[in-house]
Amino acid sequence: AQKVTQAQTEISVVEKEDVTLDCVYETRDTTYYLFWYKQPPSGELVFLIRRNSFDEQNEISGRYSWNFQKSTSSFNFTITASQVVDSAVYFCALTDLTTDSWGKFQFGAGTQVVVTP
Amino acid sequence: KAGVTQTPRYLIKTRGQQVTLSCSPISGHRSVSWYQQTPGQGLQFLFEYFSETQRNKGNFPGRFSGRQFSNSRSEMNVSTLELGDSALYLCASSLDGVPGTGELFFGEGSRLTVL
Repeated sequence: AQKVTQAQTEISVVEKEDVTLDCVYETRDTTYYLFWYKQPPSGELVFLIRRNSFDEQNEISGRYSWNFQKSTSSFNFTITASQVVDSAVYFCALTDLTTDSWGKFQFGAGTQVVVTP
Repeated sequence: KAGVTQTPRYLIKTRGQQVTLSCSPISGHRSVSWYQQTPGQGLQFLFEYFSETQRNKGNFPGRFSGRQFSNSRSEMNVSTLELGDSALYLCASSLDGVPGTGELFFGEGSRLTVL
């Protein structure tokens, strides 16, 4: 069974500080995909990043960066120089290539990020 | 390019009633998934439809049902509403729903309150 754990319930920072969100996952599959989504107060989940299990290269995209480590089953996400508009709930998600996963992502509980001016 | 559209955005029902929620996917997307989001259980997968067929289903009682039309628009229905059905219901669309070929695009959701 798949499982995604986001141990941080809420993180509060002051604008311009960096924020790192932790995500630990469990899966028996060797091929899987990991995602980060952002949910602002409007409710819509906004796609941020996708990584497959064969690509452990860590990248930076603007103020976002991620650290994928298969050895520790972690897929952490960092926002550099946070802004008030980054305030939202962030979800880590996992899916694999089995037919049981059609349209189905296993989401973590989410981490509320609060950025104050 | 228009995003995923869900209607209604907000609705209030009483226990025992039924409700129908609608979702219009992004043009060209043929897979539609539904999720229930509650503070206690988080985001839970309800079901997925592709070409008018339900291909995948989560662990929800039979009171939760759905369908997809030939234009890929989807509806979900909840019958005999219970207080615990109060939630944000999110619809997501993708090209084909096959994991690994892309991400899910979500709508803003329909917030259901059951009194």
